[in-house]
Amino acid sequence: RKEVEQDPGPFNVPEGATVAFNCTYSNSASQSFFWYRQDCRKEPKLLMSVYSSGNEDGRFTAQLNRASQYISLLIRDSKLSDSATYLCVVRGSNYQLIWGAGTKLIIKP
Amino acid sequence: SQTIHQWPATLVQPVGSPLSLECTVEGTSNPNLYWYRQAAGRGLQLLFYSVGIGQISSEVPQNLSASRPQDRQFILSSKKLLLSDSGFYLCAWSEQGEAFFGQGTRLTVV
Repeated sequence: RKEVEQDPGPFNVPEGATVAFNCTYSNSASQSFFWYRQDCRKEPKLLMSVYSSGNEDGRFTAQLNRASQYISLLIRDSKLSDSATYLCVVRGSNYQLIWGAGTKLIIKP
Repeated sequence: SQTIHQWPATLVQPVGSPLSLECTVEGTSNPNLYWYRQAAGRGLQLLFYSVGIGQISSEVPQNLSASRPQDRQFILSSKKLLLSDSGFYLCAWSEQGEAFFGQGTRLTVV
């Protein structure tokens, strides 16, 4: 089993719809969690951290479920510009960051 | 504020030639530094990470090496490139939270 798993997609979603992805992790001692966005042929950029109580940033909501060991990202009112690959990242008990392979999202007009 | 510089942005090198990619970070001290490689359409593969000067951990045995001669400098090298070394190479830094990436180097070995 991979340490961090994501559905690779692609998720094809009409503009304006709501879309959600999950990311599961295997190490119950993981300490912090993040979502990144990566555009084609560009470096990943931090989208948002994921806090234990859940957090929201505009149209984006991130949640953590420690009991089931997954994090989620919800995008409301999706825009064409949201098309990208979304990477989840888990920081373990050392200095390493464990990356998921990413979920590709395509927003269609 | 912290910034990370990685160069060159693109590189085309013949098989068997050496490689040196450099990454520098500004505005922070003793960061954790990382080299990743990303094949087309794939996830990030951690190659090396460093928690301090001269401290390098290798994740995947291969044709590459890394060095950290100064606190905020991280270098990825190869003595002889292989075709399979082609990819998108990303340098990143972090403290105790999220990571921040350089612009990446797209390496094509021909």
